[in-house]
Amino acid sequence: GAGVSQTPSNKVTEKGKYVELRCDPISGHTALYWYRQSLGQGPEFLIYFQGTGAADDSGLPNDRFFAVRPEGSVSTLKIQRTERGDSAVYLCASSLAGRYTDTQYFGPGTRLTVL
Amino acid sequence: AQSVTQLGSHVSVSEGALVLLRCNYSSSVPPYLFWYVQYPNQGLQLLLKYTTGATLVKGINGFEAEFKKSETSFHLTKPSAHMSDAAEYFCAVPSNTGKLIFGQGTTLQVKP
Repeated sequence: GAGVSQTPSNKVTEKGKYVELRCDPISGHTALYWYRQSLGQGPEFLIYFQGTGAADDSGLPNDRFFAVRPEGSVSTLKIQRTERGDSAVYLCASSLAGRYTDTQYFGPGTRLTVL
Repeated sequence: AQSVTQLGSHVSVSEGALVLLRCNYSSSVPPYLFWYVQYPNQGLQLLLKYTTGATLVKGINGFEAEFKKSETSFHLTKPSAHMSDAAEYFCAVPSNTGKLIFGQGTTLQVKP
């Protein structure tokens, strides 16, 4: 079946602009996660959705970052007033039920470059 | 709080040699542990995971890992490296909310 998809695969923007990154999880997966991976680092957690609600947003670095999942499937990560330090690969993952033994399936990521 | 340490950011082996990638964890509760692999320009793919039961876990592509509670380790091994194993490998432990806490990663280079 189809895996997790993310669009766009690459996004180049200018400092101060607004960007939206989209994640389409595996059908039927109730849990959805966003991570950020900087060069040479492991992925760092941003936010976790269980259904439509954000169950844990403790990883969002500041209020410029926001994410939604209005119908419990597709999710959008929104970044306002982008800064050069936001440049990274943004990864989305989904799992069946969000249990900590569940395997998380990752998308290919969106590479964001802020000039 | 949970944390993961991967010793060695780069490991280089010859084709056919043993692969050993080290992972140590810190967890206040009985841990579950994951190894993911990331091939160039691809997403992370699960190699194997330890939840409960047998401490020697077998994964895809001939990899295996052994959970050693006394050493708080979950090292990844493969008896014979193949060129196609060149990738970045991440050890991870889940928090009680399910989010994964990753190590810094180890880049495996396989020389012909």
